[in-house]
Amino acid sequence: GENVEQHPSTLSVQEGDSAVIKCTYSDSASNYFPWYKQELGKGPQLIIDIRSNVGEKKDQRIAVTLNKTAKHFSLHITETQPEDSAVYFCAVYNFNKFYFGSGTKLNVKP
Amino acid sequence: NAGVTQTPKFQVLKTGQSMTLQCAQDMNHEYMSWYRQDPGMGLRLIHYSVGAGITDQGEVPNGYNVSRSTTEDFPLRLLSAAPSQTSVYFCASSYERGGSSYNEQFFGPGTRLTVL
Repeated sequence: GENVEQHPSTLSVQEGDSAVIKCTYSDSASNYFPWYKQELGKGPQLIIDIRSNVGEKKDQRIAVTLNKTAKHFSLHITETQPEDSAVYFCAVYNFNKFYFGSGTKLNVKP
Repeated sequence: NAGVTQTPKFQVLKTGQSMTLQCAQDMNHEYMSWYRQDPGMGLRLIHYSVGAGITDQGEVPNGYNVSRSTTEDFPLRLLSAAPSQTSVYFCASSYERGGSSYNEQFFGPGTRLTVL
């Protein structure tokens, strides 16, 4: 099966700074890479995703980059706000299955 | 739309008991899945279904059964509960985007299960 590694496990930034979370995967056949935000006591919610034929995608303050050769992808959050504080998960889709990273707890200090 | 609903929200079982976690979606999604979430381990796929009558195993299927008799419902059954099954369980559903095999998942609110 696929192996997804996510770093860092915790990240603390000052409000207005940028945050970057990185994931690596092992199977070159994986072709869809979503990122989820999970707030306390709730289910994960999709915030951005990228397909294997695209290198970068941006949605307002959030961007994702994908390097298929190196098998890694990253989430970039600019101008962070306190409401960005949550746990973020990367995931990889491979033959009908989703594999998740272990999560990054982001704390944005006002 | 209610989206993905799960019941119950909380459950306490004794070792050896069986129970069914319910999951339903009203978005006419073909793909449904069950995950468990344990501290520091992210979400791990238990079972999934690509349509009514079709189910398959994920990463951690042992001790769990599923069935998919309708598009809307995808119950997860614990056969004989063990303390190692203490976890938060999430159900999710997906549609195909643009006719490709890619899926955007929508998650339910979760069921917190404790096995004593």
